[in-house]
Amino acid sequence: DGGITQSPKYLFRKEGQNVTLSCEQNLNHDAMYWYRQDPGQGLRLIYYSQIVNDFQKGDIAEGYSVSREKKESFPLTVTSAQKNPTAFYLCASKKRNSYEQYFGPGTRLTVT
Amino acid sequence: KQEVTQIPAALSVPEGENLVLNCSFTDSAIYNLQWFRQDPGKGLTSLLLIQSSQREQTSGRLNASLDKSSGRSTLYIAASQPGDSATYLCGVNNNDMRFGAGTRLTVKP
Repeated sequence: DGGITQSPKYLFRKEGQNVTLSCEQNLNHDAMYWYRQDPGQGLRLIYYSQIVNDFQKGDIAEGYSVSREKKESFPLTVTSAQKNPTAFYLCASKKRNSYEQYFGPGTRLTVT
Repeated sequence: KQEVTQIPAALSVPEGENLVLNCSFTDSAIYNLQWFRQDPGKGLTSLLLIQSSQREQTSGRLNASLDKSSGRSTLYIAASQPGDSATYLCGVNNNDMRFGAGTRLTVKP
């Protein structure tokens, strides 16, 4: 079964701690994306990667970091520098010459 | 910067009604537009993708239209069912995808 997996589904952290969200895809897609979704708002782009070992900042990259060491994996670290990290985080991917994005099930992060 | 607006923010209809969801965007130089469905606490499921050269796309009871020059797209749902209850988002592709805040649809039995 091809698809995008995100783990865990729910994540709880204390303020001041870094936390890493997992995103894995077995669709052989080149590009991967991280979005943040807040209640009543559209998705906002955090980081994206078009190829392995390369990634670009999106609109709201401050307080986040990523890596792309493997084509299948694009983990997102929410650092203590992110002022308001509680949100729903969505990972997506797409083929190189396509604009159609496919989304994972999301991770809900709560920081207290 | 592309701005995407979806109206209405919420919509409640009785089962069986036909309905239209709206999406407007400010920059008409788009590659395509994608409609998604999102159930509570879940990821996005792609419903329809319309290329910039197309006027509409159909899938079952869903029909999406695109008027690039006026910066509008509509998602038409025929014969709505309670299972259609979800939030519907449109994503507009220039160089990257911009999303509206979505329309939360409730179909009452």
